[in-house]
Amino acid sequence: KAGVTQTPRYLIKTRGQQVTLSCSPISGHRSVSWYQQTPGQGLQFLFEYFSETQRNKGNFPGRFSGRQFSNSRSEMNVSTLELGDSALYLCASSLLGQAYNEQFFGPGTRLTVL
Amino acid sequence: DAKTTQPTSMDCAEGRAANLPCNHSTISGNEYVYWYRQIHSQGPQYIIHGLKNNETNEMASLIITEDRKSSTLILPHATLRDTAVYYCIVRDLYNFNKFYFGSGTKLNVKP
Repeated sequence: KAGVTQTPRYLIKTRGQQVTLSCSPISGHRSVSWYQQTPGQGLQFLFEYFSETQRNKGNFPGRFSGRQFSNSRSEMNVSTLELGDSALYLCASSLLGQAYNEQFFGPGTRLTVL
Repeated sequence: DAKTTQPTSMDCAEGRAANLPCNHSTISGNEYVYWYRQIHSQGPQYIIHGLKNNETNEMASLIITEDRKSSTLILPHATLRDTAVYYCIVRDLYNFNKFYFGSGTKLNVKP
């Protein structure tokens, strides 16, 4: 079974631009979560989607948004990029998004904002 | 959310068992203990999870104390490829995505 895939793997943007990241979950998984990982803050939860609906949301500004499609693929968008948005953005999928379900992470997208 | 405490780093000889401790003294009854590992610049890899019983899978064993305030991840025969940062987290049953992902333990497996 193929794992979670994320595209692109690396991205360089400048301040003020916007960016869209893509995540394809493991086949059959309906829950997709997004995380931001930085050296200073560690891994932080952005939001979770289940059956095309945002089910949980972390404490990030409205510049961070996402969506999920009917095939469970998900996209994350960051508008008006800031230098502090430079991070590894991770996507994780889970069968149903329950605590007893394993959650599998993708390789991440490394975003650099200049 | 319960927080976890782990040693910053540990060394282990190749072929020996690696025992990674984790303290989660404020864990509540509906929180699971999860272990992940992360090799530099890759996404975290799921290892194992449990609620209160000991668990074993093809990768590792998880030993949870009876009071659930601490746990130990055991890699029975460590290899050089097991060198990574190991994260112990607790995850709420009802708020799946609200968890604390601490600084983890850097496990160095040496030949």
